[in-house]
Amino acid sequence: DIQMTQSPSSLSASVGDRVTITCRASQGIRNDLAWFQQKPGKAPKSLIYAASSLQSGVPSKFSGSGSGTDFTLTISSLQPEDFATYYCQQYKSYPFTFGPGTTVDIK
Amino acid sequence: QVQLQESGPGLVKPSGTLSLTCAVSGGSISSSNWWSWVRQPPGRGLEWIGEIYQTGYTNYNPSLESRVTISLDKSKNQFSLNLTSVTAADTAVYYCARDPSFDFWGRGTLVIVSS
Repeated sequence: DIQMTQSPSSLSASVGDRVTITCRASQGIRNDLAWFQQKPGKAPKSLIYAASSLQSGVPSKFSGSGSGTDFTLTISSLQPEDFATYYCQQYKSYPFTFGPGTTVDIK
Repeated sequence: QVQLQESGPGLVKPSGTLSLTCAVSGGSISSSNWWSWVRQPPGRGLEWIGEIYQTGYTNYNPSLESRVTISLDKSKNQFSLNLTSVTAADTAVYYCARDPSFDFWGRGTLVIVSS
């Protein structure tokens, strides 16, 4: 299985901050990577697919980059509705695997 | 807009079978998409269970493959999950989703394994 790691596991930030989350795959996955946002009690919401393509309806403050084994999700200006847990996921090979998540909370 | 809705028993006895259904609306399950099940134990991360294509072809997570069956009912525009020989470790919120982009998800349903 391809193992996905994320850093940091949690972070505290203020409204307006620029936030970057890193995801690393245990082997190369080309750009077959997605990012999800999950709020408590809710289903994950797709933000990014193919490492850098914004899902329809997702605001442009979210951006993704990377290829191969190293990827980043950036939120350009954190807003109150962005406090949540973020997961990366590889879909290069089976089984699809998710990172452990990064929780973004209010400083 | 595609919508997915999970349904099934919220409580299953140990050693029993967990059976869930995902009803798809706003789109056809026979379209060129895969349909997945994902689960999340309370307070933990996401685990992909498996997926099915419109032809009935399936892919499963090897960690669950011996206990999992995913099937399709085109006449009802839904797909289903069966997980046998469940234990407390199978207690989780179970989600259905459209993949590979995972752009649409159901709200999830909590299944507790307990006697």
